[in-house]
Amino acid sequence: AQTVTQSQPEMSVQEAETVTLSCTYDTSESDYYLFWYKQPPSRQMILVIRQEAYKQQNATENRFSVNFQKAAKSFSLKISDSQLGDAAMYFCAYRSLMWGAQKLVFGQGTRLTINP
Amino acid sequence: NAGVTQTPKFQVLKTGQSMTLQCAQDMNHEYMSWYRQDPGMGLRLIHYSVGAGITDQGEVPNGYNVSRSTTEDFPLRLLSAAPSQTSVYFCASSYGVKSANSPLHFGNGTRLTVT
Repeated sequence: AQTVTQSQPEMSVQEAETVTLSCTYDTSESDYYLFWYKQPPSRQMILVIRQEAYKQQNATENRFSVNFQKAAKSFSLKISDSQLGDAAMYFCAYRSLMWGAQKLVFGQGTRLTINP
Repeated sequence: NAGVTQTPKFQVLKTGQSMTLQCAQDMNHEYMSWYRQDPGMGLRLIHYSVGAGITDQGEVPNGYNVSRSTTEDFPLRLLSAAPSQTSVYFCASSYGVKSANSPLHFGNGTRLTVT
């Protein structure tokens, strides 16, 4: 079974600095999707960015970018110019292309604190 | 456009009581699912449905029942609540069952405490 591991339970960064959240996963499949979700204190789950495994180019969404290392099974999230509104739990998630449904496997989460 | 609506937002149950968590979406989504979120464990899939009349088990289905009689609604039933079911529950839906271009839309969650 696929597993997703986020080894950093908590991270903190100064406002306007850059921070990288780590995620590793275990799979024997060659095609899949990876996601980062943000959960602010409101509890809402917000999709931040997604990456298709067959695409070599790293996904970017404004201040958010990923470093996708397929061979190493690593999928880190970089947040540039951190803002106070970035403070949240961040979850990495995996989705197999073999599954006939949108089932996601989530990591344990990383709580990000932004220091003003 | 309401999106995915979960009710109630908060609930306290006594051990052995039953209840239903409601989930409704107004986006004509085929796929609906239930996750539970526990500290240090992320979100885990309980049950899911790929269309009206079709449901299947996820990773942690024990103690929960679901049904999908309409496209819009996907209730989660706890038949006999246990303290181990204390958690935050999320309903999520998407338009396409297989398409990655149809991301999951999450409700705002229900915090359930079983005493």
